[in-house]
Order: sequence, then C-alpha cells, then structure tokens
Amino acid sequence: GDSVTQMEGPVTLSEEAFLTINCTYTATGYPSLFWYVQYPGEGLQLLLKATKADDKGSNKGFEATYRKETTSFHLEKGSVQVSDSAVYFCALRSTNFGNEKLTFGTGTRLTIIP
Amino acid sequence: DSGVTQTPKHLITATGQRVTLRCSPRSGDLSVYWYQQSLDQGLQFLIQYYNGEERAKGNILERFSAQQFPDLHSELNLSSLELGDSALYFCASSPTTGASSYNEQFFGPGTRLTVL
Repeated sequence: GDSVTQMEGPVTLSEEAFLTINCTYTATGYPSLFWYVQYPGEGLQLLLKATKADDKGSNKGFEATYRKETTSFHLEKGSVQVSDSAVYFCALRSTNFGNEKLTFGTGTRLTIIP
Repeated sequence: DSGVTQTPKHLITATGQRVTLRCSPRSGDLSVYWYQQSLDQGLQFLIQYYNGEERAKGNILERFSAQQFPDLHSELNLSSLELGDSALYFCASSPTTGASSYNEQFFGPGTRLTVL
C-alpha cells in the first residue's frame, strides 16, 4: 500500500539557517504530494502541494519539488524564522478512483531558536 | 481559519463510555474525512463520506462508526472506549470527490479525546 517516510525529528535550528526535511514515498501510479504544517494547539494547514512529476510547490518561502525518479518531495526553506516552529507532515493522495484519503508521514517537529 | 468546525474541542471521559464528535464541513463541501492522530500510530485515515454515503474506510475499529447527515455535517461515534482511544480526532472536508488537484482537504481544529 501507499506509505510516506519522513525525516525523524526533532529538528532544532538557529534563526536564518537553511532547512531541509526529507520525505520519500511509495505509491502506485502518480499520487499528489503535500506538506501540511501543524502549529501548537491547532489543526493541520496545507503548506504546499504538487500534483505531477517535476512540479514545484511553494508557499511562505518554503519549497518542495516532486521527484518521481527518486520518489521524493523534500521540504526546503532558505532562511527559517522563529515563527516556523511547528510540526511538518508530508502526505500523499492516491490517484486511484474512490481512494482519496491522505497517507501521512510521522511528522517532523521543528524548533527555531533566536 | 479553514472553515471546518469541530465540537467539542476537548472531551474527557471514562473507559467503556460512548462519545459523539461533530464536524461541520466548509460551506458547499460534499466530502468529509475523519482522521485520528495518536502518539503511537501517527495520523491515520478512518473513514470518508461523500454527500451522505460512505465512500472509503481506513483503519476504523468496529467500535467506531460515522455518518453524514442531509445538511452535510458529520458525526463520529466512538463506543466502549478504551485508554488507547485517547487521541486527537480531525475532520477534513473537500469540495467534491475524485483525485482532481482541486480537491484539497481542509482540516478542522480537532477534538482532543482523553479516556481515563
């Protein structure tokens, strides 16, 4: 079945550091890929998405590129801020008809220190 | 604010009891999904409804059931509760169904269930 493997956390960085959170997936066909963010005490918010190979999703300075050859969707940001501290989830959605559930990775807790 | 509302925000109950979690999707969204977030299992899909009909089932226990009403709100019923059912339960909604790139899922703030 579908699965998502995500970089283990927690990750602690200094403000303005470069961020990479690795994500790889296993799925049949051509899934859509997502990054969701969960701030303390809140629900999940969609951060960015990509629906086909070589698509780059971007939002709020974060980027991720759908790499079919390496089945990866790594999240990057050039200069993190304290406000980026949150838990980040990589997820995929199958393209199989009737199966629109999201399959999530385990989440990576990110803490940015001033 | 995603537009998806969930009540109650917190629920504390005892083992063996039954609870009902409620979700109101975004206006116009026909699909509702339920997910469970626990420390040991992570985020897992439970069940999906589309326009009142069950569409897909995930790792949902037999003690759990759900329904979607004509006004499109949904309820998740959890019975014979066990300590291990303590988790954050999320509801999400999307406009229609299918794998279209436009069918993003929008998540509610969740209901935190604590079983003592």
